[in-house]
Amino acid sequence: AQSVTQLGSHVSVSEGALVLLRCNYSSSVPPYLFWYVQYPNQGLQLLLKYTSAATLVKGINGFEAEFKKSETSFHLTKPSAHMSDAAEYFCAVSEHQGGKLIFGQGTELSVKP
Amino acid sequence: GAGVSQSPSNKVTEKGKDVELRCDPISGHTALYWYRQSLGQGLEFLIYFQGNSAPDKSGLPSDRFSAERTGGSVSTLTIQRTQQEDSAVYLCASSPDQNSPLHFGNGTRLTVT
Repeated sequence: AQSVTQLGSHVSVSEGALVLLRCNYSSSVPPYLFWYVQYPNQGLQLLLKYTSAATLVKGINGFEAEFKKSETSFHLTKPSAHMSDAAEYFCAVSEHQGGKLIFGQGTELSVKP
Repeated sequence: GAGVSQSPSNKVTEKGKDVELRCDPISGHTALYWYRQSLGQGLEFLIYFQGNSAPDKSGLPSDRFSAERTGGSVSTLTIQRTQQEDSAVYLCASSPDQNSPLHFGNGTRLTVT
């Protein structure tokens, strides 16, 4: 069985500050891991995905995530937050590169001017 | 190109009524998924269609929920005898196959009064 835990339902940062959104997973098979972003009243958009090719994954909008097997983590980071980054972020795990995804509860990111 | 289209975008219904939610996937995508997004519950997998295979219904919360996919394209999610706890945003996603990332629609917001 697979599961995802996102630590912190709400994170607030100042514009220009580091963004760190935490995700820990549980999987009995080698996982594929994803981060999705959801802007208000919109569907989910893929930010980045880990497919075992490289442990540090770069995504869109300056985000990146590092897969750490020893910590069963896949935290999302961005060096400098922008006001447009305010959204809800979901971490997800799957047995395949796509397919049925198991999502975390989501983390709402607020960016203060 | 056209993305995943869901209709209606908003639906208000009375408790006990049946509702149908529609999803038009991206043309050529063989995989189609339904998720439910409830306040405080995150994203919950409901059902998954892949080509002509039997659907994975493991996420449907009760026998009041059903879904079909006609001709391998459009899908309809039906909720019978709606309850207030069915109020949520219902998201549809499609992908070319189970090894490709999901493309999400903007969802249908269902409110049961």
